[in-house]
Amino acid sequence: EVRLVESGGGVIQPGGSLRLSCVASGFTLEDFNMHWVRQIPGKGLQWVSVISWDGGSPHYAKSVKGRFTVSRDNNRNSLYLQMDTLSAEDTGLYYCAKGGRGFGEVTPDFDSWGQGTLVTVSS
Amino acid sequence: EIVMAQSPATLSVSPGDRATLSCRASQSISNNLAWFQHKPGRAPRLLIYDASTRATGIPARFSGSGSGTDFTLTISSLQSEDSALYYCQQSHDWPPTFTFGPGTRVDVK
Repeated sequence: EVRLVESGGGVIQPGGSLRLSCVASGFTLEDFNMHWVRQIPGKGLQWVSVISWDGGSPHYAKSVKGRFTVSRDNNRNSLYLQMDTLSAEDTGLYYCAKGGRGFGEVTPDFDSWGQGTLVTVSS
Repeated sequence: EIVMAQSPATLSVSPGDRATLSCRASQSISNNLAWFQHKPGRAPRLLIYDASTRATGIPARFSGSGSGTDFTLTISSLQSEDSALYYCQQSHDWPPTFTFGPGTRVDVK
């Protein structure tokens, strides 16, 4: 069974930094691209970032580019999101989601999600 | 930038009814569209990808159609457990932006 468990959220002041983690189990992480998606209060779902299966080719939403950095450690079955220069607009529930297979058989993106970790940016 | 719109914003239906949810892209996205179900306190759930392919484990009462700019999610024979927010999402552009629509709230009662 695929399982994704996020951690690292909390309350942080504007301008601060947080590092989110996502531990994956039940599948071979190194074979799959991985995403971060956030749920902004009252605004629905917003895609944040994707990283390819081998750690290359990260992409970001315009609203976080230059402030957030996605990374992964396949040996630790983990995905990370370093969030810097946080603002109130970054407040939300952050999910990691399994992407498609990076090579070979094509599989759908976003077919498994974690339960999310809450980030609150407030003074 | 591809913008996604969904209608209606809210849909109130009775058990056993059929629901038709619409999603429109601001430019052609071929069939690069997915539908998600999201319930409060739960993780989002992939229902449909590539516009019409049901994800693993999704009941046959969920079906998707469309291509280009106009897409539909149909939920036949609604059950109370289908009450949720439903989002469409495009995956067509490059660099990717995976834009979500604003969602349609379905209330089954």
